[in-house]
Amino acid sequence: DTAVSQTPKYLVTQMGNDKSIKCEQNLGHDTMYWYKQDSKKFLKIMFSYNNKELIINETVPNRFSPKSPDKAHLNLHINSLELGDSAVYFCASSQFAGGNEQFFGPGTRLTVL
Amino acid sequence: AQSVAQPEDQVNVAEGNPLTVKCTYSVSGNPYLFWYVQYPNRGLQFLLKYITGDNLVKGSYGFEAEFNKSQTSFHLKKPSALVSDSALYFCAVRDVAGNTPLVFGKGTRLSVIA
Repeated sequence: DTAVSQTPKYLVTQMGNDKSIKCEQNLGHDTMYWYKQDSKKFLKIMFSYNNKELIINETVPNRFSPKSPDKAHLNLHINSLELGDSAVYFCASSQFAGGNEQFFGPGTRLTVL
Repeated sequence: AQSVAQPEDQVNVAEGNPLTVKCTYSVSGNPYLFWYVQYPNRGLQFLLKYITGDNLVKGSYGFEAEFNKSQTSFHLKKPSALVSDSALYFCAVRDVAGNTPLVFGKGTRLSVIA
């Protein structure tokens, strides 16, 4: 059973397009996250939701919009894709925020041409 | 602001030898500290964490880490390295107080040579 799943695994698209990445967790966790990992493997938080409410919104262009229809899902929609958006995007979840470890999905490799 | 430093980009160790991957942190209050491991083309996997209590924390796959408040360090250790330990290791910190995000170090690539 996959704890945190993401679709698609790979996404190749043209500049200017709009795309979505879906994330689901079956762990019953309250908190979910989106991270971006760049080509140098640097990992940075983008968003965090707790019980469907946005609690962390780092300095991310407003072309990125997270949506949490319920606490098991956190999707990421990206408008007007740019070359610099190429990266691996990871979804994660934790029981709560604070001192709880996060469980990561397998990642979505986004390539913008 | 909180931050994490992993001073080594790469650590090489012979199989069977002890390994250490270094991490120092900076937070304004008390820290929650974590180690994660990433294998190629995979997501991060949790190894261990320090929340409170005993400074020596034991985790998965025989790894352990020691919280040292005076040196603001949380080095990852293993007594005897395996080739299968070769991966990218991330240290992460968040402040206990407030709704702050988890901040990751830049990662250290561990190579265990047979």
